[in-house]
Amino acid sequence: AQRVTQPEKLLSVFKGAPVELKCNYSYSGSPELFWYVQYSRQRLQLLLRHISRESIKGFTADLNKGETSFHLKKPFAQEEDSAMYYCALRSVSSYKLIFGSGTRLLVRP
Amino acid sequence: GAVVSQHPSWVICKSGTSVKIECRSLDFQATTMFWYRQFPKQSLMLMATSNEGSKATYEQGVEKDKFLINHASLTLSTLTVTSAHPEDSSFYICSAVPSGTADTQYFGPGTRLTVL
Repeated sequence: AQRVTQPEKLLSVFKGAPVELKCNYSYSGSPELFWYVQYSRQRLQLLLRHISRESIKGFTADLNKGETSFHLKKPFAQEEDSAMYYCALRSVSSYKLIFGSGTRLLVRP
Repeated sequence: GAVVSQHPSWVICKSGTSVKIECRSLDFQATTMFWYRQFPKQSLMLMATSNEGSKATYEQGVEKDKFLINHASLTLSTLTVTSAHPEDSSFYICSAVPSGTADTQYFGPGTRLTVL
């Protein structure tokens, strides 16, 4: 079964601290993995995708097929990073996205 | 670019009435659109895939006669909640994929439906 697991509902850190939002997936094949972010009162927007292998707003995520993980990391959190973060999986044969339950990141001053 | 709009942004209706929600891709064409439902403090749950010119594909457990989807053009999909009841109150979000691309989904701002 296809599944995305985000074990933390809430992650609270102080400004300047490193951040790691965990994401594990279950999929029989080669999926595409994404991180989406939803800032307060805004729409869901793409943060990054694993095939791009880029850093957006200081965030990076590496696909680890052995551990079936796609953790999101940032070395120094900023207050403006506070938001809901969703990990999502897409099969190569479909446009459908399967979302994790989301992690709320709260960056305290 | 790649902006998706929804109308209305919020709606309140009486139990038993029907409500139509529009999803438009403003600056691109979208053969495929998606409809999601999001409960408070929960993730997005895919309801159906809307395909231009053909019937929508519903996810397991979603009543197709309850949630009517029409995708009559490459820039518009509509979701009609028929005979709405209080348990249908939720945040409904649509997304669209630019035609002819393997691009990701672009999301609308959502529509909050409250059924009294």
